[in-house]
Amino acid sequence: GESVGLHLPTLSVQEGDNSIINCAYSNSASDYFIWYKQESGKGPQFIIDIRSNMDKRQGQRVTVLLNKTVKHLSLQIAATQPGDSAVYFCAEQTGYSTLTFGKGTMLLVSP
Amino acid sequence: GAGVSQSPSNKVTEKGKDVELRCDPISGHTALYWYRQSLGQGLEFLIYFQGNSAPDKSGLPSDRFSAERTGGSVSTLTIQRTQQEDSAVYLCASSLLHRTEWRFQETQYFGPGTRLLVL
Repeated sequence: GESVGLHLPTLSVQEGDNSIINCAYSNSASDYFIWYKQESGKGPQFIIDIRSNMDKRQGQRVTVLLNKTVKHLSLQIAATQPGDSAVYFCAEQTGYSTLTFGKGTMLLVSP
Repeated sequence: GAGVSQSPSNKVTEKGKDVELRCDPISGHTALYWYRQSLGQGLEFLIYFQGNSAPDKSGLPSDRFSAERTGGSVSTLTIQRTQQEDSAVYLCASSLLHRTEWRFQETQYFGPGTRLLVL
């Protein structure tokens, strides 16, 4: 999951496993959330978003879960592939504010 | 259409020199952001433009850093008298803050970044 500190938390999985990446967001009033994927040497790319009036949203091989009670967001990746290896960031938005990004989690997928 | 582009993709400079980084946002996007990312770190917010004005400069780390945006489009980030600790990837993002049926919502789209190395 997310953490403050000098090094990114890392999740290591085997190809084909399901991955769960966690994010504890900071503002209970946040009402929109995004997951970004950043591959080595590239800028972050949008993966999936969710509004606060939803608990779950599914995309292609990815699912985002939102638990507002404990201010927790997770990204589930089904049948993880080596191409999923990247740093994953969550971001939150409150009202008309700009996005606030989490620290990121590195996902390493072994063949 | 084209995504966010940044130039140069890589920049090596000597300590004390000035550098200028450029960002071309997605056409029509009104909001533009600059972030800094050090190796293995998260995104550090630097500055945000809405149109040509910068309502939030709170992230600029020192007065050596400045940014401008002209014509509501291209932005340049200038670092004067560069220091070795300025070495990082500088990312630009743009977004269209749009109204949905229930709120304002934005999704930021990022460029590939400029990798700055100060020797």
